[in-house]
Amino acid sequence: GQQVMQIPQYQHVQEGEDFTTYCNSSTTLSNIQWYKQRPGGHPVFLIQLVKSGEVKKQKRLTFQFGEAKKNSSLHITATQTTDVGTYFCAGSYSSASKIIFGSGTRLSIRP
Amino acid sequence: DTAVSQTPKYLVTQMGNDKSIKCEQNLGHDTMYWYKQDSKKFLKIMFSYNNKELIINETVPNRFSPKSPDKAHLNLHINSLELGDSAVYFCASSQLDRAHEQYFGPGTRLTVT
Repeated sequence: GQQVMQIPQYQHVQEGEDFTTYCNSSTTLSNIQWYKQRPGGHPVFLIQLVKSGEVKKQKRLTFQFGEAKKNSSLHITATQTTDVGTYFCAGSYSSASKIIFGSGTRLSIRP
Repeated sequence: DTAVSQTPKYLVTQMGNDKSIKCEQNLGHDTMYWYKQDSKKFLKIMFSYNNKELIINETVPNRFSPKSPDKAHLNLHINSLELGDSAVYFCASSQLDRAHEQYFGPGTRLTVT
């Protein structure tokens, strides 16, 4: 079936270091979303990417959608303790279809 | 003024029991969803309702039955609970034309003993 793979599963960084999580699909996606879930919390929508090669920024967060619309990445510059949580990508194969969540990347930070 | 609310937050029950989880959204959204998040944090959609009509029904046991009395509410009833049903269940909602921007409730942690 359709799957959205996400790596790494875990990332432990020193505060101030950068962090990147990657998302891949074997088939072309219509769009991709990124969500953040704090420990003990619920997923919170961050952003949606729709266009091939699209790059969007939110302060220290940079989101990219691959040219072939099969992969995406989230990069955090100079991590802070408030960035702790699990980051999920979620893709859909048409504008009307359900979203399929990646397995998530759990980010922990040592101060 | 909570956007998407769920009750209860925690639910501990024995195998074989029947239980319900309630969800309400005050965002005026047309579409509501139920997701299951297992102990490894995998998030999987179970059901989706649009204006009280079922539009997504994933492969879940028919012991799970959603009910949408109106477009602001989507409840989940589970019959004959099993150990494997233990998980966090999230309700979510979205606007019809922004279906992939979903707003999640706080979750209900179900523990079946």
